[in-house]
Amino acid sequence: QVQLQQWGAGLLKPSETLSLTCGVYGGSFSDYYWNWIRQPPGKGLEWIGEINHSGSTKYNPSLKSRVTISVDTSKIQFSLKLRSVTATDTAVYYCARARRGYCSGGFCYSDAFAIWGQGTMVAVSS
Amino acid sequence: SSELTQEPAVSVALGQTVRITCQGDSLRSYYASWYQRKPGQAPVLVMYDKNTRPSGIPDRFSGSSSRDTASLTITGAQAEDEADYYCSSRDSSGDRVLFGGGTKLTVL
Repeated sequence: QVQLQQWGAGLLKPSETLSLTCGVYGGSFSDYYWNWIRQPPGKGLEWIGEINHSGSTKYNPSLKSRVTISVDTSKIQFSLKLRSVTATDTAVYYCARARRGYCSGGFCYSDAFAIWGQGTMVAVSS
Repeated sequence: SSELTQEPAVSVALGQTVRITCQGDSLRSYYASWYQRKPGQAPVLVMYDKNTRPSGIPDRFSGSSSRDTASLTITGAQAEDEADYYCSSRDSSGDRVLFGGGTKLTVL
């Protein structure tokens, strides 16, 4: 059974860099896309970005200037760095495995985030 | 447009049928995915590819799509279905993933 286990610092000061890592245990690493998603308190889910095993990335335009997602295939894990955090970056951060969205035969199919990490609460406070 | 709109809250009597909707321009191109989130837990995928349920999701959950609206229907809602539900889709360009604002389902 595939499991994602994530870890990283949970309390940051404004202007610091958020750093989280997600380990993948079981299953294929190359057949999926690996994502970071967050949920601020009392708000909805927000997609941060994705990476595949080759290191190809896409980011949410609203965060693109501050985000880097990287992959370490030797350790079968991927990481998130978010620079210059502010209080608005306070959220529960999740890593997730996705069957990436695609189009075929005139139809388009959205990403299916079927496996999620346990979540990490990250608070930004001075 | 790069938004998905959901009704903030919906209620249903135990055992009755409820439909949760998600509206957005991207849904004219993409079938939505749906996620259930209970307090303190990670989201769970309950529907994808218009009407495909992951293993372990009860068959009382079904999905449908028409023009710019996707729907998640629960036929015979149970107390354990009380949760927040989020729809998701790629945006029309395919470059990013969108989530709806979420619908809080209350089972009365």
